[in-house]
Amino acid sequence: QVQLVQSAAEVKRPGASVKVSCKASGLTLSTTGISWVRQAPGQGLEWMGWINGNNGNTQSSQKVQGRLTLTTDPSTAYMELRSLGSDDTAVYYCAKGVGSTDAFEIWGQGTMVIVSS
Amino acid sequence: EIVMTQSGGTLSVSPGERVTLSCRASQNIAGNLAWYQQKPGQAPSLLIYGASTRATGIPARFSGSGSGTEFTLTISSLQSEDFAVYYCQQYSLWPPSITFGQGTRLDIK
Repeated sequence: QVQLVQSAAEVKRPGASVKVSCKASGLTLSTTGISWVRQAPGQGLEWMGWINGNNGNTQSSQKVQGRLTLTTDPSTAYMELRSLGSDDTAVYYCAKGVGSTDAFEIWGQGTMVIVSS
Repeated sequence: EIVMTQSGGTLSVSPGERVTLSCRASQNIAGNLAWYQQKPGQAPSLLIYGASTRATGIPARFSGSGSGTEFTLTISSLQSEDFAVYYCQQYSLWPPSITFGQGTRLDIK
């Protein structure tokens, strides 16, 4: 059974960085892509970026471009977001698509990141 | 960026009713459209991809249709566990540039 298990919640000061991990079981990340999606409290879903686990190529949304770094090893994907502001407070999810699509069939459980002074 | 617009905001419906949710794309996305269900405190769950293909384990009362810019998700007979928020998502561009609709909440009438 394929599962993505994320790291625990974080509380960060404004201007700091956060790194969230997403450990895969039942699949090797070098054969797939992983996206990161976030959801601010009471809000909708926002795609942040994607990494190709095979070659490390990444894409990110314009909103977080320049602040987002996505990396991966064979079992774990990582999302690092820098220069945090209060509007980065959200639940962050990693997700894997069906086959080669970006329709996300497997989701991590989510990691709450709170940015507060 | 492709903008996804869902109609309805919040819909109050009764168990057993048939409901249709709508989603519109700002440009042609062919059939590259997914629907998700999200319950409070949970990650979203994939219902439909490719506009009309049910994901693994999804009951037949959920169906999707549409192509291009207009899409619908139909729940043929609402069950108590279906009251949740539903999101559409396009995944048509390469390299990936994914956008979600703002969501439609189904409440019990």
